[in-house]
Amino acid sequence: DTGVSQDPRHKITKRGQNVTFRCDPISEHNRLYWYRQTLGQGPEFLTYFQNEAQLEKSRLLSDRFSAERPKGSFSTLEIQRTEQGDSAMYLCASSFPNSPLHFGNGTRLTVT
Amino acid sequence: GQQLNQSPQSMFIQEGEDVSMNCTSSSIFNTWLWYKQDPGEGPVLLIALYKAGELTSNGRLTAQFGITRKDSFLNISASIPSDVGIYFCAGRIQGAQKLVFGQGTRLTINP
Repeated sequence: DTGVSQDPRHKITKRGQNVTFRCDPISEHNRLYWYRQTLGQGPEFLTYFQNEAQLEKSRLLSDRFSAERPKGSFSTLEIQRTEQGDSAMYLCASSFPNSPLHFGNGTRLTVT
Repeated sequence: GQQLNQSPQSMFIQEGEDVSMNCTSSSIFNTWLWYKQDPGEGPVLLIALYKAGELTSNGRLTAQFGITRKDSFLNISASIPSDVGIYFCAGRIQGAQKLVFGQGTRLTINP
């Protein structure tokens, strides 16, 4: 078990640029989740996949956000036309169905 | 949507003291989880609870799933410096896959 891996760990970008983050889940897990965490708050759900199917999306996931899991393994989260309000820690987690989520160490995004 | 109210928001204690924190909701949950998060890292699972009334321990940590299924608490006995961090409760309602998180309890320990 190598754990959930996220890349990059930190990303600084200018407002209006596009960014993409990658998540590699625990290999046996078929569920993959994306959460966003701002300073002093708990993680907020964005979306989750079962295998390659995206089964639920939060209203927090605006049209500028898109997530994919093309082969049911790794996932990417893209933010287009970044805004300063997008600055946050983006956490990925994976699990078996109805089991606890195991989180990666996140990608910290700073939009200047 | 479902919201979890976690208290206290912060705690300042002496090393060796016991700690208690709790989480409440107006919604019914069928799973309660407790996580710890250190700065710059993701949350790490401490304890998972699946049945109302369940009491589960993990070393010096003990957590309970409330009988009403609307609350949970976490106790830490004989705190040590490495217990410093932010503790989050999280819950899952029946039929849902996403976890809803509380706002966290920041624990600070004075040696």
